[in-house]
Amino acid sequence: GIQVEQSPPDLILQEGANSTLRCNFSDSVNNLQWFHQNPWGQLINLFYIPSGTKQNGRLSATTVATERYSLLYISSSQTTDSGVYFCAVEHNDMRFGAGTRLTVKP
Amino acid sequence: DVKVTQSSRYLVKRTGEKVFLECVQDMDHENMFWYRQDPGLGLRLIYFSYDVKMKEKGDIPEGYSVSREKKERFSLILESASTNQTSMYLCASSRTSGILDGADTQYFGPGTRLTVL
Repeated sequence: GIQVEQSPPDLILQEGANSTLRCNFSDSVNNLQWFHQNPWGQLINLFYIPSGTKQNGRLSATTVATERYSLLYISSSQTTDSGVYFCAVEHNDMRFGAGTRLTVKP
Repeated sequence: DVKVTQSSRYLVKRTGEKVFLECVQDMDHENMFWYRQDPGLGLRLIYFSYDVKMKEKGDIPEGYSVSREKKERFSLILESASTNQTSMYLCASSRTSGILDGADTQYFGPGTRLTVL
């Protein structure tokens, strides 16, 4: 089946710093989503981005489908950005990466 | 607003007990999904359903069953809970089939953290 790899597995930032999270996938996909799981466990859909670039406030994402990767950018990070960020791709079914655990320190 | 609710945020059960996790969505979505999330393993699909009374196995169906008697409700059943089923369980729904007809955004519930003692 399709493989989804996220990097880095863990990331610690000071408040105000920028970061880039990466998602690599091993086959062509119909869909790619980025999710944020907050420290209380709730999963929030951030972007639905099978290709191209989208921006929402301090967050933006770019997917280069031909090269099989997606990037999530977080600018001016805040403590509320802490949590686990998942990339999920849809091929024959939906597959999630193992996540990147982000900790933003005040 | 899109809304997916799960019956419990936290649940503690004993080994061998039968456990029901309920999920309800109010968006008239055809498709519903059950995942479990474990550290280092990401989200793994247990079962999904693309219509009432229809169900399909996901990646890790062993030890679980599901029920979809009404469009808005999708239940996950642990017939005899075991300690390795301690996990966070997430329900999701989507408007169009992510499997057959192309992709659409999945909306997730808040999760149920199940502990099996």
